[in-house]
Amino acid sequence: GQQLNQSPQSMFIQEGEDVSMNCTSSSIFNTWLWYKQDPGEGPVLLIALYKAGELTSNGRLTAQFGITRKDSFLNISASIPSDVGIYFCAGQNRDAGKSTFGDGTTLTVKP
Amino acid sequence: EAGVVQSPRYKIIEKKQPVAFWCNPISGHNTLYWYLQNLGQGPELLIRYENEEAVDDSQLPKDRFSAERLKGVDSTLKIQPAELGDSAVYLCASSPTAGADTQYFGPGTRLTVL
Repeated sequence: GQQLNQSPQSMFIQEGEDVSMNCTSSSIFNTWLWYKQDPGEGPVLLIALYKAGELTSNGRLTAQFGITRKDSFLNISASIPSDVGIYFCAGQNRDAGKSTFGDGTTLTVKP
Repeated sequence: EAGVVQSPRYKIIEKKQPVAFWCNPISGHNTLYWYLQNLGQGPELLIRYENEEAVDDSQLPKDRFSAERLKGVDSTLKIQPAELGDSAVYLCASSPTAGADTQYFGPGTRLTVL
């Protein structure tokens, strides 16, 4: 089946630093999604990308849909302590009606 | 607007016992998903409902897992009998229409099988 590889697996950064993480797939997706999961909660959608090459921002978060449609990137600028959590990418093909998730990047922000 | 509600939040059982999880999706959402999330991994789809119909249950281990969504609203996921390897978080999500990219997740039920 489809597999998503997220990297890095974990990151430890200082407050105020920028963060970059990415997700690659062996298959093409029509939609890329980025979620954040806090401890004890379900994932919450941050950004959705629908077109190859698309660059979308949500506050300090910016995500890009790779040209090959097999990858996506998420950047967080000027990190703050509340950015701590696990970030998941997910690929979706509308015909399939379901999302395939990566295994997440765990972000720790030191004040 | 109330989010996706799941209960119980935590469950501890002994192996070979049955267990059931309940999910109430966001009002008006026709599509409901059950996911399994193992520690350190992303959610994996178990079953997807469109109204009361299970349209994708290919990843549901049907020898011990079952699910129902009788009136196309809330749903129950059951495991009988539970095994040690079933310890995980079971997430329910809903979306307004089929194929919608925006899924709203509940907080999950953390199952521990001893």
